[in-house]
Amino acid sequence: GENVEQHPSTLSVQEGDSAVIKCTYSDSASNYFPWYKQELGKRPQLIIDIRSNVGEKKDQRIAVTLNKTAKHFSLHITETQPEDSAVYFCAASNHGSGYALNFGKGTSLLVTP
Amino acid sequence: DVKVTQSSRYLVKRTGEKVFLECVQDMDHENMFWYRQDPGLGLRLIYFSYDVKMKEKGDIPEGYSVSREKKERFSLILESASTNQTSMYLCASSPGTAGAYEQYFGPGTRLTVT
Repeated sequence: GENVEQHPSTLSVQEGDSAVIKCTYSDSASNYFPWYKQELGKRPQLIIDIRSNVGEKKDQRIAVTLNKTAKHFSLHITETQPEDSAVYFCAASNHGSGYALNFGKGTSLLVTP
Repeated sequence: DVKVTQSSRYLVKRTGEKVFLECVQDMDHENMFWYRQDPGLGLRLIYFSYDVKMKEKGDIPEGYSVSREKKERFSLILESASTNQTSMYLCASSPGTAGAYEQYFGPGTRLTVT
């Protein structure tokens, strides 16, 4: 089955700096790659996703890049703010699995003022 | 606005009890999922369903079963609860139509088995 590795497990940045979280996946059939943000005590919420026919996608301060050949994708957050502090999960899925998500283990991001 | 609800936020059960966790979504979604979340392990898929009365095993189905008798409701059953099933359980749903893959999560049920 699919195996998703996520790094780093913890990340601390100063407000205004950029943060990058990287994920690799193993199943070449995977074609949908979402990123979820989970604040303490709350449910995961989708912040951005990318499909395999796209190399990069941006939404304001958040961007995701995908390299299908290398089987890795990354989340980039620019101009970080304290409210960006949360746990971020990457995931991979494909049609064959009913688009059930295979999650990475998560990155705990702390943005200090 | 998509709404996914779970029957309990907190639950305490004894070893050996049969436990039912209920999930309901109100957006006529085809797909529903059960995950468990443990510190350092992320979210792991237990079971999912893409239609009424249909179910598929995820990565960690042992010790669990599911039921989907109605489209909006997906139940997770712990046949005989054990302490290693103490965890946060998250339900999710997605439309299941072509191109609509986003999963919407419920608030979670924190289950403690003593």
